[in-house]
Amino acid sequence: DIQMTQSPASLSASLGETVTIQCQASEDIYSGLAWYQQKPGKSPQLLIYGASSLQDGVPSRFSGSGSGTQYSLKISSMQTEDEGVYFCQQGLKYPFTFGSGTKLEIK
Amino acid sequence: EVQLVESGGGLVQPGRSLKLSCAASGFTFSNYYMAWVRQAPKKGLEWVATISTSGSRTYYPDSVKGRFTISRDNAKSSLYLQMNSLKSEDTATYYCARLKYTTDYYSYYFDYWGQGVMVTVSS
Repeated sequence: DIQMTQSPASLSASLGETVTIQCQASEDIYSGLAWYQQKPGKSPQLLIYGASSLQDGVPSRFSGSGSGTQYSLKISSMQTEDEGVYFCQQGLKYPFTFGSGTKLEIK
Repeated sequence: EVQLVESGGGLVQPGRSLKLSCAASGFTFSNYYMAWVRQAPKKGLEWVATISTSGSRTYYPDSVKGRFTISRDNAKSSLYLQMNSLKSEDTATYYCARLKYTTDYYSYYFDYWGQGVMVTVSS
């Protein structure tokens, strides 16, 4: 199985600050990576797929990058509504696997 | 508007069975692979099952293989998850999700999720 290691586990950021979350795969996943945001009591929502493609309706301050085994999600200007937990997911091989999540809070 | 609405959750004793349902609307259900993903309380996400458009192919992780069965009824735009021999570690919120395939990267991702249904396995 492909293991997804996410870091950091938690972080706090000020309004307007740039935030970066990392995700490392245990093998090359050829950009087969997605990012999700989950707010308390809600279901996850897709932000990024194919490592860098923005899902329709997602604000442009969100961006994804990376290749091979290393990927990152960047929020260019932290907003209040960006608080939540962020997960990465590889969809290249079964079983599909998720990172353990990064909890993002406002400082 | 894409909508996925799960039902059928509840409290069940270890070793018993439960069947979840997911009613889909707002898209052509028969054109999409579908999946179940679960989340134990205060934990991360775990993929549970995937089914092809016709239902002829199904996929499971080792943690549920042989106990869970995913199925679909395209005429009713409905997805199901039959869960047998339930264990305490199956306690989680279960999400129905639509799978999208990207030909650019030969990979799948979950583009729409239901609100989730809670399953508690306890005596």
